[in-house]
Amino acid sequence: NAGVTQTPKFRVLKTGQSMTLLCAQDMNHEYMYWYRQDPGMGLRLIHYSVGEGTTAKGEVPDGYNVSRLKKQNFLLGLESAAPSQTSVYFCASNLQGAGTDTQYFGPGTRLTVL
Amino acid sequence: GQQVMQIPQYQHVQEGEDFTTYCNSSTTLSNIQWYKQRPGGHPVFLIQLVKSGEVKKQKRLTFQFGEAKKNSSLHITATQTTDVGTYFCAGPTSGTYKYIFGTGTRLKVLA
Repeated sequence: NAGVTQTPKFRVLKTGQSMTLLCAQDMNHEYMYWYRQDPGMGLRLIHYSVGEGTTAKGEVPDGYNVSRLKKQNFLLGLESAAPSQTSVYFCASNLQGAGTDTQYFGPGTRLTVL
Repeated sequence: GQQVMQIPQYQHVQEGEDFTTYCNSSTTLSNIQWYKQRPGGHPVFLIQLVKSGEVKKQKRLTFQFGEAKKNSSLHITATQTTDVGTYFCAGPTSGTYKYIFGTGTRLKVLA
């Protein structure tokens, strides 16, 4: 039981490049979330999903897209990376949704955009 | 929109001193969660409070949920170096599946 895993752990991009971050969970959770964390700041929600095939916007969705084709996977895409997207990205999942139970976080992906 | 603020932003304490962080929401929360993030790590769930005025304890940690369900606190008695990290509160936004996280309090414990 690996919990929540994220791939890759680190990545450096040049401005304008694209990439996809993968989040996988093996706990059969319905709800999955993508957050970004900037130095000295809290977690800000980018997008989330309440089940396979569904996605919704969070607080800071601009410049990102997501897909949830399989229940266990939640992908975060950057179509044209910008330096402002330099951040640590965390994926999280929980079983029943916001406010009802624990969110389990992945180890994070540290992204630098030059 | 809904905001969740935490104070203080930073706190340095001598080992053995007590520590408290406060969380304040602009709206009433159905419940509140607390997370701890060690330096370089990811947030880890500590506890969830649901009832107005609720108090829960975990060893040296005491959590309170305000009577109006708009504020909460975390108190650590006799801090240890293992308590180092950033403590976040988080609350659900009304009618959605989204969490709003507080700004966090970074705790440093000096041995």
